Amino acid sequence: NAGVTQTPKFQVLKTGQSMTLQCAQDMNHNSMYWYRQDPGMGLRLIYYSASEGTTDKGEVPNGYNVSRLNKREFSLRLESAAPSQTSVYFCASSYRGRRGEQYFGPGTRLTVT
Amino acid sequence: ELKVEQNPLFLSMQEGKNYTIYCNYSTTSDRLYWYRQDPGKSLESLFVLLSNGAVKQEGRLMASLDTKARLSTLHITAAVHDLSATYFCAALDTGTASKLTFGTGTRLQVTL
Repeated sequence: NAGVTQTPKFQVLKTGQSMTLQCAQDMNHNSMYWYRQDPGMGLRLIYYSASEGTTDKGEVPNGYNVSRLNKREFSLRLESAAPSQTSVYFCASSYRGRRGEQYFGPGTRLTVT
Repeated sequence: ELKVEQNPLFLSMQEGKNYTIYCNYSTTSDRLYWYRQDPGKSLESLFVLLSNGAVKQEGRLMASLDTKARLSTLHITAAVHDLSATYFCAALDTGTASKLTFGTGTRLQVTL
């Protein structure tokens, strides 16, 4: 049982390049999330998917797109990377039950030069 | 819009001492979560507080929730070096699909 996995772990992009961050969970969770973490700002929600087939914007969606490929997988795409998108990106998933706690992946450290 | 504030942002404490981290949130929420993050690592769930008056304890950490005051506390008893980490609280955004709003975190440093 791997929990939440993310690839890649590290990535360096040049301004204007595109890339997709992959996330998968094997806990049969309904909901999945993408966050970014910047120093002194906690975690900010980029996009989330309440269930397979649905996606919604979070607090900071500009410059990103997402795809909920199936129940297990939720990808985050940067179409034209900017230095302001340098951050650590975390994927999380949760079961829509009473507890509702989110389980986090190991993170992707992205640098845009 | 739900906002979550933690204080202090940074806490340096000596081993053996007690201290409390505070988490205030701005609108109604009936679920509160505490997470721990070690440097360069992911977030690990510590506590899930589901109702007013809930109290959870694990080792030297105790978390409580007062939904009327919109306040949660994380109390550290007789701190040890292993507790050095960043602690986040997060409140559930009522009416959404388990969407959480996180505080900015409290960086705890326990010194000898």
